[in-house]
Amino acid sequence: ETGVTQTPRHLVMGMTNKKSLKCEQHLGHNAMYWYKQSAKKPLELMFVYSLEERVENNSVPSRFSPECPNSSHLFLHLHTLQPEDSALYLCASSQELFTDTQYFGPGTRLTVL
Amino acid sequence: AQSVAQPEDQVNVAEGNPLTVKCTYSVSGNPYLFWYVQYPNRGLQFLLKYITGDNLVKGSYGFEAEFNKSQTSFHLKKPSALVSDSALYFCAVLNTGGFKTIFGAGTRLFVKA
Repeated sequence: ETGVTQTPRHLVMGMTNKKSLKCEQHLGHNAMYWYKQSAKKPLELMFVYSLEERVENNSVPSRFSPECPNSSHLFLHLHTLQPEDSALYLCASSQELFTDTQYFGPGTRLTVL
Repeated sequence: AQSVAQPEDQVNVAEGNPLTVKCTYSVSGNPYLFWYVQYPNRGLQFLLKYITGDNLVKGSYGFEAEFNKSQTSFHLKKPSALVSDSALYFCAVLNTGGFKTIFGAGTRLFVKA
């Protein structure tokens, strides 16, 4: 593994459920990212945190809510999702914001019924 | 606007043959360019990057890429493909002083024995 872990690896939820995705990086990095990966589409950057402050919110619907309690942990809180939100959600970290190599977790495969 | 294109959805090559995965980009200013690989059920893994200097960049697993400023390309190459190279490959670009790394849609590489 790359030093970035994500839990759970798979998640199935109904449209009325509330769930959270967790990401943890053990690399001492300063920046953390959430991406959405859908089939045959480019990776979509959702949120970026640098030193626990949100620096980017890419017009993501409010049913996705990020949280970064410290520089090692990043959460993505989910509520009232839609079936089109089904995708692989990837967390990444880098030493410095954007300009540095990003290290990715294995992802959470989310299915919304 | 910053963008990256991977013109081929899929590349097929026989084991032992050379492989090329194409990437072209559009940025203002000088680009940072990256290649990542994604194996099934895994997150993206960094392969190599170009920041400045020699146009030929060598990376992990015997891969290399050539930065061509006049053609705005950064094609990924390997002299002799292995079956284990079969995976999804992503090109990414960031302009210097920029704020966001943009990923291509990915190219699936199949290497046949």
